[in-house]
Amino acid sequence: QQQVKQSPQSLIVQKGGISIINCAYENTAFDYFPWYQQFPGKGPALLIAIRPDVSEKKEGRFTISFNKSAKQFSLHIMDSQPGDSATYFCAAREQGGKLIFGQGTELSVKP
Amino acid sequence: GAGVSQTPSNKVTEKGKYVELRCDPISGHTALYWYRQSLGQGPEFLIYFQGTGAADDSGLPNDRFFAVRPEGSVSTLKIQRTERGDSAVYLCASREAAGGGTDTQYFGPGTRLTVL
Repeated sequence: QQQVKQSPQSLIVQKGGISIINCAYENTAFDYFPWYQQFPGKGPALLIAIRPDVSEKKEGRFTISFNKSAKQFSLHIMDSQPGDSATYFCAAREQGGKLIFGQGTELSVKP
Repeated sequence: GAGVSQTPSNKVTEKGKYVELRCDPISGHTALYWYRQSLGQGPEFLIYFQGTGAADDSGLPNDRFFAVRPEGSVSTLKIQRTERGDSAVYLCASREAAGGGTDTQYFGPGTRLTVL
């Protein structure tokens, strides 16, 4: 049973465009929702995160939108750059600390 | 400061052999997590330590997998009688404190395990 479903699996965006990645979860006990960025051969690195009592969080070009009633959240990357090309994972935290990850989205930003 | 480090970066072994994977967390981080990432997938939780004790080992796939953190810092993931299906990248993450401090889990670069 996939507790966190992520889409799309891959995404191609032109430089300067907006990249949007979506996630849906099932467990209403999740208490923290991070997004991680991963480059080939590297470990995941935290990009931005949100708690369920907030509907939106923005840090620079990255925004999380959170819809608690729909149990969905999304990552928006504004003014996408070739250096943003990586794999992005949404995750949800169970009480106690373990993260449940989505399947990942491979983003390619074309110059 | 130094991040999470993992050794070795790559490990090739033969089916049936025993392997140990090491994780050095960020200094002062009391919470430590192990995840496994198969090709093209998101990391999957294996085990979580708070201090020296395993607070949650529900993700360990079977009794061939075992992890320790004897002094509350360095952790070792041990896999007995390795199988080809164990091939994956094993990731370690640390967090300042569970139940307090920051929420962020900082990941190491991983150990790529290949079982021939």
